[in-house]
Amino acid sequence: AQKVTQAQTEISVVEKEDVTLDCVYETRDTTYYLFWYKQPPSGELVFLIRRNSFDEQNEISGRYSWNFQKSTSSFNFTITASQVVDSAVYFCALSEAGGNTPLVFGKGTRLSVIA
Amino acid sequence: SQTIHQWPATLVQPVGSPLSLECTVEGTSNPNLYWYRQAAGRGLQLLFYSVGIGQISSEVPQNLSASRPQDRQFILSSKKLLLSDSGFYLCAWRAQGARHQPQHFGDGTRLSIL
Repeated sequence: AQKVTQAQTEISVVEKEDVTLDCVYETRDTTYYLFWYKQPPSGELVFLIRRNSFDEQNEISGRYSWNFQKSTSSFNFTITASQVVDSAVYFCALSEAGGNTPLVFGKGTRLSVIA
Repeated sequence: SQTIHQWPATLVQPVGSPLSLECTVEGTSNPNLYWYRQAAGRGLQLLFYSVGIGQISSEVPQNLSASRPQDRQFILSSKKLLLSDSGFYLCAWRAQGARHQPQHFGDGTRLSIL
């Protein structure tokens, strides 16, 4: 069965520090997709990035970077030089076999960036 | 472009009262639709999902129900609310059969039961 584990429940950092949010997944599919979402205090879930299982190239977008490693079934998210606006709950999710079943979400990591 | 609307944004209801939350999607047809609940400080709990009109899959047995009377409309209901129904309710959509696509979420409804 598919499963997503975000072992870090809460993380607190001081502004400008780098922080990595961990995501470990389990799946029997050979083709799958991984996602990261951000949920700011206002509540809406904002889609950040998608990664295909057949593309292990890491991705960088501004201060955000994602490290996908199939060998360890991990898809970690790093924020460089964190800012107060990065404070949010971050969810990792996995797309199951078949396009009509819901994403499997981790339980989320609450990141607090302190000024 | 596609948009998802959810209302109301906040709702305060007494225990035992009925509930109806509505979600509509624009700019796409035959989407998959989802209802989630999030208790304070907790993760996302999938309640229902639908792959078509009148087709509802229930993930968690409870006193809530869902209906999809039209292609892009998804309604969450209850006949009698419990205190434990308090939480943040999120509706989401995803293109039919598109496992490579993310789910897109509405802004949510904060439900408080008194």
